[in-house]
Amino acid sequence: EIVLTQSPGTLSLSPGERATLSCRASQSVSSSYLAWYQQKPGQAPRLLIYGASSRATGIPDRFSGSGSGTDFTLTISRLEPEDFAVYYCQHFGSSFYTFGQGTNLEFK
Amino acid sequence: QVQLVQSGAEVKKPGASVKVSCKASGYTFIGYYIHWVRQAPGQGLEWMGWINPNSGGTNYAQNYQGRVTMTRDASIGTAYMEMSSLRSDDTAVYYCARGHTIKGADYWGQGTLVTVSS
Repeated sequence: EIVLTQSPGTLSLSPGERATLSCRASQSVSSSYLAWYQQKPGQAPRLLIYGASSRATGIPDRFSGSGSGTDFTLTISRLEPEDFAVYYCQHFGSSFYTFGQGTNLEFK
Repeated sequence: QVQLVQSGAEVKKPGASVKVSCKASGYTFIGYYIHWVRQAPGQGLEWMGWINPNSGGTNYAQNYQGRVTMTRDASIGTAYMEMSSLRSDDTAVYYCARGHTIKGADYWGQGTLVTVSS
């Protein structure tokens, strides 16, 4: 079973700053099946990035994803107030989903 | 537009069962798997399993095998998740999500809070 470990657990930044969130897999995974989600309090998760680097429909271009193998990164180039939320990475296959434990991006 | 609308909050006693519905609209229901994901208070996302709305085939995460049953009624575009022998630690928000083969879970329901309390 592949385990996804996200770091840091909490990231404290200010609007306008750059955010870099990490997701590390316990073994190599296909980047085609690596996604990122954003979740705000009281809301369902929202798909941000799929295929490690493709933005989902309607996602601003300040969000970008990169990586391969075991190391993946979600970058938010310039934080907007609405970006403060919890972010999850996900690996999926034909029969399963696996989520990381999440990174809480909070106001500094 | 694609929508997944879930049934309302439930309060159940330990040992009881709960059945949550997820009504899909805006796309061909049988064309995409429906996944169920739960989130305990203050915790992360935990995948429970999926149902293939076309065949009715299912695949459950190991933690839920024997206690969860996923079904569907394709005639009304609705998927269901039933959990039995509820415990207090089953208190959580339960989400359904459309499974896209390339994108992952591209649309989510609004969530259903299930509270298990005596």
